[in-house]
Amino acid sequence: DARVTQTPRHKVTEMGQEVTMRCQPILGHNTVFWYRQTMMQGLELLAYFRNRAPLDDSGMPKDRFSAEMPDATLATLKIQPSEPRDSAVYFCASDRRAGYNEQFFGPGTRLTVL
Amino acid sequence: AQTVTQSQPEMSVQEAETVTLSCTYDTSESNYYLFWYKQPPSRQMILVIRQEAYKQQNATENRFSVNFQKAAKSFSLKISDSQLGDTAMYFCAFMNRDDKIIFGKGTRLHILP
Repeated sequence: DARVTQTPRHKVTEMGQEVTMRCQPILGHNTVFWYRQTMMQGLELLAYFRNRAPLDDSGMPKDRFSAEMPDATLATLKIQPSEPRDSAVYFCASDRRAGYNEQFFGPGTRLTVL
Repeated sequence: AQTVTQSQPEMSVQEAETVTLSCTYDTSESNYYLFWYKQPPSRQMILVIRQEAYKQQNATENRFSVNFQKAAKSFSLKISDSQLGDTAMYFCAFMNRDDKIIFGKGTRLHILP
């Protein structure tokens, strides 16, 4: 049963600390997305990659957020320094771009910045 | 800009009843995909149903069906014979040609015993 995995599932940190969230897409999927979910804004696309190359990160605050794909099995989202307004659930999703457009979501990382 | 609007923030229905969730969207593209995702309390995003814009036939998946009106840019979800396990947040979503998904704000659905 292929699934997108995310670590950690929960993270509590203090303002100013660096936070790194990791995602392992489904094997064979070549497109990876990062979303943020908050009560106020709902689900927002932060960034996405295809074949490890960033395609769009316009939804991401550039000054503190960065997203990378060091290899095809790992995507990372980093916040440095973190702020209380970054508290949210961060989802990773992947799909196999080839006319097959379902995005499979990971379980999310719930981030709380105190 | 592409937008997705869900006008019902919250709904409640009795178990076994039929319920329809509304969704409208705005786009200038002619081909795209539409989805309904379910998010139960576990937080997991689960695809319920998808519709390709160039297909006129409405998609169905067991008790779930859609009413896709392309000219009106409307994409409603009908849940028949609702079950307690259908209690969740439901998101309507639009995917453009670049695979970017825009989500609506969601409708919180309560199925009452």
